[in-house]
Amino acid sequence: SYVLTQPPSVSVAPGKTARITCGGNNIGSKSVHWYQQKPGQAPVLVIYYDSDRPSGIPERFSGSNSGNTATLTISRVEAGDEADYYCQVWDSSSDHSVVFGGGTKLTVL
Amino acid sequence: EVQLVQSGAEVKKPGESLKISCKGSGYSFTSYWIGWVRQMPGKGLEWMGIIYPGDSDTRYSPSFQGQVTISADKSISTAYLQWSSLKASDTAMYYCVRESLWFGDRSGYFDYWGQGTLVTVSS
Repeated sequence: SYVLTQPPSVSVAPGKTARITCGGNNIGSKSVHWYQQKPGQAPVLVIYYDSDRPSGIPERFSGSNSGNTATLTISRVEAGDEADYYCQVWDSSSDHSVVFGGGTKLTVL
Repeated sequence: EVQLVQSGAEVKKPGESLKISCKGSGYSFTSYWIGWVRQMPGKGLEWMGIIYPGDSDTRYSPSFQGQVTISADKSISTAYLQWSSLKASDTAMYYCVRESLWFGDRSGYFDYWGQGTLVTVSS
């Protein structure tokens, strides 16, 4: 089955840029989606189809996907961005299986 | 306003059965796939399976096939996740999710999440 690999943790100072990676075999050929989960809350979609933002998500959140790595970029990081972030793909060739990455804890220093 | 409202927390003993629910509102329930996601304590998200309430077409993750049953009652816009014999390892938060549409087809991402149902299995 398809595997998505994320770093367990990323730390960034307020106002700086955070980059969270999601690795997978030829992930650039798939569509990647990203979710933010704050403690005690349900996840929220922040990026879909590699780089699209749902309404209500700040422009500070952006995404890219190429080769074997997809990246979620958060610019001008704020304390409120501290959360777990998960990447996800839909492997439509494998009986429509959904795969999540292991998650990355973003810490705002 | 689209909402997915899940049933309340459950405390069960090993071997007991359980059925939790997810009621959709604010959209055409029969037109969107509804999935279930498990999150064990302190762990990440795991996709369990998904159902199309319009015709009850259901797909399971290989990891959960045979372990749970996903169903839906479109007359009351409600999806279900059930166990016939719970184990301590089923202790987790369970989320229902709506899969968005992309030009009328499946999109592969989840635009709405329920608030979660905490299931605790302990003797």
